[in-house]
Amino acid sequence: GNSVTQMEGPVTLSEEAFLTINCTYTATGYPSLFWYVQYPGEGLQLLLKATKADDKGSNKGFEATYRKETTSFHLEKGSVQVSDSAVYFCALIRSLSGNTGKLIFGQGTTLQVKP
Amino acid sequence: GAGVSQSPSNKVTEKGKDVELRCDPISGHTALYWYRQSLGQGLEFLIYFQGNSAPDKSGLPSDRFSAERTGGSVSTLTIQRTQQEDSAVYLCASSLVTKETQYFGPGTRLLVL
Repeated sequence: GNSVTQMEGPVTLSEEAFLTINCTYTATGYPSLFWYVQYPGEGLQLLLKATKADDKGSNKGFEATYRKETTSFHLEKGSVQVSDSAVYFCALIRSLSGNTGKLIFGQGTTLQVKP
Repeated sequence: GAGVSQSPSNKVTEKGKDVELRCDPISGHTALYWYRQSLGQGLEFLIYFQGNSAPDKSGLPSDRFSAERTGGSVSTLTIQRTQQEDSAVYLCASSLVTKETQYFGPGTRLLVL
C-alpha cells in the first residue's frame, strides 16, 4: 500500500544547528510529496512541496529534494531558529488517475530548538 | 474568506451524544477534505468532496460518521452516538481542485467524556 515513514522524534537541536528530518515513502506511480508544519497551538501549514523526481521544494530556509531512486524526501535546514520548533509532517498524494488527492501522512516529527 | 474556518474550536460531549462539526472552505475551492488527528493514529483521511461528484467516504471509521457538503461550499461532519475513542482533533482542508495544495483549517478539538 501507500505509506510514509518519518524519523522518530523528538529532535532536539541548539539554535543555528543543521537540521535533517528523514522521510521515506512507499507508493505506486509518481506521487507528489509535501512537508507540512504545525506550530504550537496552530493548524497545519504547507511548508514545501515537490511534484516530480529531482524537484527541490524550498521555503523559509527549508529544502527537500524528491529522490525517486531512494524513495525519499528528507527535510533540511542549514541553521535552525527557536521559532522553527514545531511538528513536521511528511505526506504524499498518489498520482493515479481518479485518485481523490487525499494526503497520506507520516507520523510527524517534533522539533525542539533550544537557544 | 481568507482561509478555511471551522467551528466550534472545541467541543466537549458525553458518550452517546451526537455532535456536528462545521467547515467553511476557502471561497472558490472545489475540493474539500476531512481528516482526523489523534494520538494513537496520527493524521487520517476521513472523507473527500469534489463538486457534485459522489464523495469518497473510504476513510470513515464507522457508520456513526457521516458528512455532507451543501451547495458545494460548507461541509458538516456528524458523529452519532459518540464514543471515547472519537476524541481527536478534526481537521478540514480545501483545495482549488483535486490534487492541488490543500489548505487546512484550525481544527475542532473533540473530547468525549
